[in-house]
Amino acid sequence: GAVVSQHPSWVICKSGTSVKIECRSLDFQATTMFWYRQFPKQSLMLMATSNEGSKATYEQGVEKDKFLINHASLTLSTLTVTSAHPEDSSFYICSAPTGGASMQYFGPGTRLTVT
Amino acid sequence: KNEVEQSPQNLTAQEGEFITINCSYSVGISALHWLQQHPGGGIVSLFMLSSGKKKHGRLIATINIQEKHSSLHITASHPRDSAVYICAVPPEYSGGGADGLTFGKGTHLIIQP
Repeated sequence: GAVVSQHPSWVICKSGTSVKIECRSLDFQATTMFWYRQFPKQSLMLMATSNEGSKATYEQGVEKDKFLINHASLTLSTLTVTSAHPEDSSFYICSAPTGGASMQYFGPGTRLTVT
Repeated sequence: KNEVEQSPQNLTAQEGEFITINCSYSVGISALHWLQQHPGGGIVSLFMLSSGKKKHGRLIATINIQEKHSSLHITASHPRDSAVYICAVPPEYSGGGADGLTFGKGTHLIIQP
């Protein structure tokens, strides 16, 4: 099946710094990628939709100036958490659909801890 | 917004037992996803189905679009099946996979040897 990778798999950063998370589709092109966030013992929540060649669309309540998304190519989307705070500590996971209205393939996730 | 409810929230069973996990949603959809999340967090897509039944190995997923209900079954369960099983749905206007999903809270399954 299709493969989606994320980097890094985990990161610890200090409050106030920025962190970039990469999501790559390894064997297919993805004009759209999705970014989700999962807090402990909670369900995944859609944060934003990353669109190649255009601006990302953000879900209600997600600050677009804090969570910068760049869909640089058909195989790469990046999520930058700017001026991170401890409440941003979470599990961030991306996904990409392929083959039209079909399965979504998920990256392995990035665990962010802000101290 | 679609409300996705899963039951049970937690399930512990003995190896070999037949497992059923249920999912209901509030707004009509074109398809539903079943996902498996391992303790490390990684997510695997198990099924996307829009009608009837799909089978893959020991996993069976069924959906009743009219009743807004889906079930995931595991036959001859094994300790390696221990994971969180999540159902997820696209927006009601969606054609299926190319939209962000709304997730249920998941069912924590533990299969004891």
